[in-house]
Amino acid sequence: SAVISQKPSRDICQRGTSLTIQCQVDSQVTMMFWYRQQPGQSLTLIATANQGSEATYESGFVIDKFPISRPNLTFSTLTVSNMSPEDSSIYLCSVADRGLTEAFFGQGTRLTVV
Amino acid sequence: AQSVSQHNHHVILSEAASLELGCNYSYGGTVNLFWYVQYPGQHLQLLLKYFSGDPLVKGIKGFEAEFIKSKFSFNLRKPSVQWSDTAEYFCAVNNDYKLSFGAGTTVTVRA
Repeated sequence: SAVISQKPSRDICQRGTSLTIQCQVDSQVTMMFWYRQQPGQSLTLIATANQGSEATYESGFVIDKFPISRPNLTFSTLTVSNMSPEDSSIYLCSVADRGLTEAFFGQGTRLTVV
Repeated sequence: AQSVSQHNHHVILSEAASLELGCNYSYGGTVNLFWYVQYPGQHLQLLLKYFSGDPLVKGIKGFEAEFIKSKFSFNLRKPSVQWSDTAEYFCAVNNDYKLSFGAGTTVTVRA
């Protein structure tokens, strides 16, 4: 198993600003993902964070809006840029082995944009 | 479009009642299937998973799920629920090394 620590756990931000969310894992992992969970909705994959290279984004998500870093096998950041109220959501970090036989999740970052 | 559908948005039941949550997926080919649970204030946890073999899978806390390939379904069951089973339940499919989630079902168990 993997223990994931996300920071911050919650934040209230002004529109137009940016927030960087950190994800720290207690062991080296192959795959890291970032999800968004909007109120009352399911988890939507934003991107796969690739160690040492650019993240792979899902349809509807772009690097300019959600830049991601992954400098090593235990750490990643997601930035939500130029925020608007529509970005209010829970952002989740997830890790998995290469075959994605099981995914582990952080407790999430609850973001409110005002 | 590829998708995961969960039939119930909110289920309310009494302790000792039986629970069944429906999940259907629209992917073709080989899929790996999961049920995750999120208890209030906690992170998502794996309940059970199916990769191959016996289509009846047993998970933690007395939960089980049955994979029916012909129906593209992976329904979750528990014969007798407890108050502590109050949580949100998500069905997920691993397709192309990405997890796609259903909308989730909120289960409320009344004592």
